[in-house]
Amino acid sequence: GAGVSQSPRYKVAKRGQDVALRCDPISGHVSLFWYQQALGQGPEFLTYFQNEAQLDKSGLPSDRFFAERPEGSVSTLKIQRTQQEDSAVYLCASSLATWTSNNEQFFGPGTRLTVL
Amino acid sequence: EDKVVQSPLSLVVHEGDTVTLNCSYEVTNFRSLLWYKQEKKAPTFLFMLTSSGIEKKSGRLSSILDKKELFSILNITATQTGDSAIYLCAVKTSGSRLTFGEGTQLTVNP
Repeated sequence: GAGVSQSPRYKVAKRGQDVALRCDPISGHVSLFWYQQALGQGPEFLTYFQNEAQLDKSGLPSDRFFAERPEGSVSTLKIQRTQQEDSAVYLCASSLATWTSNNEQFFGPGTRLTVL
Repeated sequence: EDKVVQSPLSLVVHEGDTVTLNCSYEVTNFRSLLWYKQEKKAPTFLFMLTSSGIEKKSGRLSSILDKKELFSILNITATQTGDSAIYLCAVKTSGSRLTFGEGTQLTVNP
């Protein structure tokens, strides 16, 4: 497709369940980012991949959060033992070149996670 | 810690009005400032600004950056109801992340 796609678009989980969120970046984009957007807030950085390498995971809020991009294209964000404070929209973005360049990031529609 | 502050947080205007949205920042190793429009889906890219004093324009929208005073403004003239959205300002530093402000919720009433 032409843009970044994410699935599922909506996810409801019971507290304690594990969830997996998928991101398909724009084909050929080297960089991939995950952001968390709480209600009424701007997106907050979680992690960054350059191809398959996770170069920055400093924004992940706890060790319950794990992300991977094993073949340098599709990425999965996994949240283990979900908590209510994990409820947010999870946005994925991709960018054509590496982080050292000044390209804009293109965002997917997000996955809205609600933890009950 | 890098910081981006937007104002106002919300704004309600009538169709045809002109609005100015503000974004100020305190970051280390500034590289660029970006504006995004977010409706009920993905933030969509509007502008990237890297140099002071050079206005970027797209239709009724324009934006300018002041790197000395560390702020940017986004202007929308002759607003339409379709301009209703959250406008996000983000700053890219030498690291990999974008640091976003809270956003300005703009509502344009007919």
